[in-house]
Amino acid sequence: DAKTTQPNSMESNEEEPVHLPCNHSTISGTDYIHWYRQLPSQGPEYVIHGLTSNVNNRMASLAIAEDRKSSTLILHRATLRDAAVYYCILSNTGTASKLTFGTGTRLQVTL
Amino acid sequence: ETGVTQTPRHLVMGMTNKKSLKCEQHLGHNAMYWYKQSAKKPLELMFVYSLEERVENNSVPSRFSPECPNSSHLFLHLHTLQPEDSALYLCASSQEIAGGHTGELFFGEGSRLTVL
Repeated sequence: DAKTTQPNSMESNEEEPVHLPCNHSTISGTDYIHWYRQLPSQGPEYVIHGLTSNVNNRMASLAIAEDRKSSTLILHRATLRDAAVYYCILSNTGTASKLTFGTGTRLQVTL
Repeated sequence: ETGVTQTPRHLVMGMTNKKSLKCEQHLGHNAMYWYKQSAKKPLELMFVYSLEERVENNSVPSRFSPECPNSSHLFLHLHTLQPEDSALYLCASSQEIAGGHTGELFFGEGSRLTVL
């Protein structure tokens, strides 16, 4: 699977928007972009995924660059409960079994 | 019932013990997974079961033995483990869609294993 690159850590103030970047310059045309997050002492949870178009759901928005070599996860108003490790993952098959987690971005949210 | 339930949440065992981790999913999914998460390391995929058949085994030592008796239950049998096997073991499930887009993974809260 193609590799992703994320910053090790980011900080945000509560109630501010957060933009978490992910670079995936070797992405193929059939790779989906997935985001998961892992809160302290919990298993990872799905956040959002997309292929080419920007995506929105109740948790976040996913902005995908036109050349698909990068993407940004957008949390519109960060809360303390959003403090977690965020993983950007690519998958080029139709099954979840090919999701390979990297080290992700640790997001700290402060008052 | 939460979607994916793992028991026990914490386990301490000696290197000569035999124990098992249990995972149960209540989501009607057809695929189940074991992941290992060691301190400061990314999640490592250990085993994948799809429709109760093992479809992936990522070079896991034989002291870890998975069992999937049905689509709702997954076990990880442990024997003669080493201290470096101490980690958080996470179970996940998904609905595999052949030829379709990737199914979302639903994780349990994990079983924290300490090997003395």
